[in-house]
Amino acid sequence: GENVEQHPSTLSVQEGDSAVIKCTYSDSASNYFPWYKQELGKRPQLIIDIRSNVGEKKDQRIAVTLNKTAKHFSLHITETQPEDSAVYFCAASMEDTGNQFYFGTGTSLTVIP
Amino acid sequence: NAGVTQTPKFRILKIGQSMTLQCTQDMNHNYMYWYRQDPGMGLKLIYYSVGAGITDKGEVPNGYNVSRSTTEDFPLRLELAAPSQTSVYFCASSYSGLEKLFFGSGTQLSVL
Repeated sequence: GENVEQHPSTLSVQEGDSAVIKCTYSDSASNYFPWYKQELGKRPQLIIDIRSNVGEKKDQRIAVTLNKTAKHFSLHITETQPEDSAVYFCAASMEDTGNQFYFGTGTSLTVIP
Repeated sequence: NAGVTQTPKFRILKIGQSMTLQCTQDMNHNYMYWYRQDPGMGLKLIYYSVGAGITDKGEVPNGYNVSRSTTEDFPLRLELAAPSQTSVYFCASSYSGLEKLFFGSGTQLSVL
């Protein structure tokens, strides 16, 4: 099956700085890459996603880049705010039987005011 | 729309007991999933279903069972609970499997 690795496991940044979280995947057939944010005690919620036919996608302060050749994708958060503090998960999915989502192990982001 | 509804929110089981975690969605999604989340380990897929009457194993299916008799419901059964099943369980659904996952609010299960 697919293997998704995520780094770093923890990240602390000053408010206003940028944060970057990186993920790699193993199966070149993966073609959908979502990012989820999970606040403490809450359910994961989608913040942005990208498909394999696109190299970059932005939504206000959040962007995701995908490098299919290298099999890695990254989440970029600019102008970080305290409310960005949460655990972020990357995932990969492919169009085969079941469309299983494979998740990374998560990055705990702390934004220091 | 209520989205994905999971019950119960918390449960304590004794070793060897059994229970069913309920999950229902009202979005007419074909794809439904059960994940467990252990601290620092991300989300691991237990079972999934691509439609009523169809289920399949994920990465960590041992000790669990599922059924999908309707599009809306996807219960997870724990037989002979073990301490290793202490975790937070999330049910999720999506329209096509390559679309956004909608998660339930989670069930915190402790097996003592």
